[in-house]
Amino acid sequence: QQQVKQSPQSLIVQKGGISIINCAYENTAFDYFPWYQQFPGKGPALLIAIRPDVSEKKEGRFTISFNKSAKQFSLHIMDSQPGDSATYFCAASPNYGGSQGNLIFGKGTKLSVKP
Amino acid sequence: GAVVSQHPSWVICKSGTSVKIECRSLDFQATTMFWYRQFPKQSLMLMATSNEGSKATYEQGVEKDKFLINHASLTLSTLTVTSAHPEDSSFYICSAPRTGQLLFGNGTRLTVT
Repeated sequence: QQQVKQSPQSLIVQKGGISIINCAYENTAFDYFPWYQQFPGKGPALLIAIRPDVSEKKEGRFTISFNKSAKQFSLHIMDSQPGDSATYFCAASPNYGGSQGNLIFGKGTKLSVKP
Repeated sequence: GAVVSQHPSWVICKSGTSVKIECRSLDFQATTMFWYRQFPKQSLMLMATSNEGSKATYEQGVEKDKFLINHASLTLSTLTVTSAHPEDSSFYICSAPRTGQLLFGNGTRLTVT
């Protein structure tokens, strides 16, 4: 029930293409769904986040789509750039902002954007 | 701006020795900090919650006597890996809450030989 399942494990996209990463969860008590971007040797950085009362949130080239009934959410990166190459983690928490540290992370997706 | 600084960024130690990792909140105070562990190509797993002025709270399966946590001030938490073994080799990351989100440090790569 505490798991967050993320797919695919790795993804190769051409420059300018759309990158799509999917996550699924079981625990209906989760109230906050962030996506983090992590570069090698660095800590994760918050990219974008959504709450379950919203079906979509867009920030620049990054969009979260949220399907509450299916308990799934996904990250779309439009016009993918080589600089987007990183590992992306979805996460879920019963607390807004994950401020109590109890984020459940997916296993990550390594994105490579080819020039 | 508000940043979480972690030191050292990498450390190599011999089996049986202890290693201390520092986590500092810059330009903000953090009564609570969190320590995570990340194995290669794996996700982050919460190890413990560091509380300023009180004992740390450890997640199930994490040995509190092995991973000593001290929250010395409102801007500093330390994680000491005691009697380190090769299986303790990992990437350790701290985080602190700031204005409704978690800020993460850049992590510490620990290699135990």
